[in-house]
Amino acid sequence: AQSVAQPEDQVNVAEGNPLTVKCTYSVSGNPYLFWYVQYPNRGLQFLLKYITGDNLVKGSYGFEAEFNKSQTSFHLKKPSALVSDSALYFCAVRDGGNNDMRFGAGTRLTVKP
Amino acid sequence: SAVISQKPSRDICQRGTSLTIQCQVDSQVTMMFWYRQQPGQSLTLIATANQGSEATYESGFVIDKFPISRPNLTFSTLTVSNMSPEDSSIYLCSVEAYPGQGSGNTIYFGEGSWLTVV
Repeated sequence: AQSVAQPEDQVNVAEGNPLTVKCTYSVSGNPYLFWYVQYPNRGLQFLLKYITGDNLVKGSYGFEAEFNKSQTSFHLKKPSALVSDSALYFCAVRDGGNNDMRFGAGTRLTVKP
Repeated sequence: SAVISQKPSRDICQRGTSLTIQCQVDSQVTMMFWYRQQPGQSLTLIATANQGSEATYESGFVIDKFPISRPNLTFSTLTVSNMSPEDSSIYLCSVEAYPGQGSGNTIYFGEGSWLTVV
C-alpha cells in the first residue's frame, strides 16, 4: 500500500525567506501526489498536484513542488514566505488510479514577521 | 473545482446518540469519500461512498458504526452511531472531480463537520 512521510512536525521561517516543507512517498505503481493546506478551524484546501509531465508543479498562492522520482520526494516550496502562509500542510499520495489517498502526518508551518 | 457543503458544521453531541452529517456537491461526481481527522492528527479514510451500491469501508471502520448513504451523484450522508468521546473528530466529505481537461483527477474537501461528544 502507498504511504507518505512528512519528516518535520514543525517548520519555522521568517517572512520573506524561502520555505520548504518536505514529503517523501512510497507507492508500487505511478504516484499521484498532492499538497493540501488546512487553516485553523477550516477544512482542507487543494494547493497543487503532480500526475505526470513537468517535475516542477506550480499551484495556488505562489506555492510550487518538485517531483523527484529517484529520491521519491515531493517537497513543497515557496520563494518568499508570508505570515498568512502559517497553517498545517498535508502531503498525500494515490497509487495511480487507486481510489485510496494516503495522507502524511502534517507539517505545521509558522511564518514569523 | 467542486463546491462541497457539509452540515452541520459543528455540533456537541451526547454520549450514546447518533448524528447524521450531510454532504452536498454542486456538480455530479462519481466518487465521494468520508474522512476522519482526530484532534491533532492526520486524515484517515473511513469509506468510499458509491452511488447505487454499498459503501466500501476501510480497515477499522464498519457499517454499523458509520452507515453511509449515497442516493444520487451529488449527495451523501455519514452517520456516526452510538457516539462516545473517542468519536470527537472532524469528519470531512471529499469528492473526486475533474478540474480541467486532461489534468487528471483531484480530490476536493468540504469544510468539515466538527463533532464533540460529551
